[in-house]
Amino acid sequence: EIVLTQSPGTLSLSPGERATLSCRASQSVSSSYLAWYQQKPGQAPRLLIYGASSRATGIPDRFSGSGSGTDFTLTISRLEPEDFAVYYCQQYGSSPSFGQGTRLEIK
Amino acid sequence: QVQLQESGPGLVKPSQTLSLTCTVSGGSISSGDYYWSWIRQPPGKGLEWIGYIYYSGSTYYNPSLKSRVTISVDTSKNQFSLKLSSVTAADTAVYYCARALAATHWFDPWGQGTLVTVSS
Repeated sequence: EIVLTQSPGTLSLSPGERATLSCRASQSVSSSYLAWYQQKPGQAPRLLIYGASSRATGIPDRFSGSGSGTDFTLTISRLEPEDFAVYYCQQYGSSPSFGQGTRLEIK
Repeated sequence: QVQLQESGPGLVKPSQTLSLTCTVSGGSISSGDYYWSWIRQPPGKGLEWIGYIYYSGSTYYNPSLKSRVTISVDTSKNQFSLKLSSVTAADTAVYYCARALAATHWFDPWGQGTLVTVSS
């Protein structure tokens, strides 16, 4: 089973700042099988990034994903008020699994 | 645009079986391009994949839950269902259904989720 570890657990930033979220896998993951989700309170997760770097439909271009192998990154270039949420990475190896999440909070 | 909606009891007694149904609208569950999935989230915690089913009936379960999980599909009703047996308080969670692209296994879209509480 592939374990995903996200860091930091909580990230405190201000609107307009750049956010960098990390997702590290316990073993190599194909980039095709790495996705990122955003979850706001009381809502279902929403697909943001698939294939490690492709934005899902309707996702603003301030969101970008990168990485390969065991290290992946979600970057939000300039934070908007609506971006403060919890972010999860997800992989598919032999079965899907999620990271524990990074909470992005307003500083 | 495909939409998913969970339904089922919000309260289940310990040791009983949790049963939920997901109704798919705006698209056919018989599309060969997707798996139909269940994912749960305990209050204040992260996401846990439970399992998924292909329209043909092939199933894939999280090994940690496999002994207690059954997922089935009813293509005539465009629905798929989850049964989780011998529940305990640890199974209290928001249960989501979601569609997974068969080739790459990412989940989109998701249902709104339904809270199931296990309590006597």
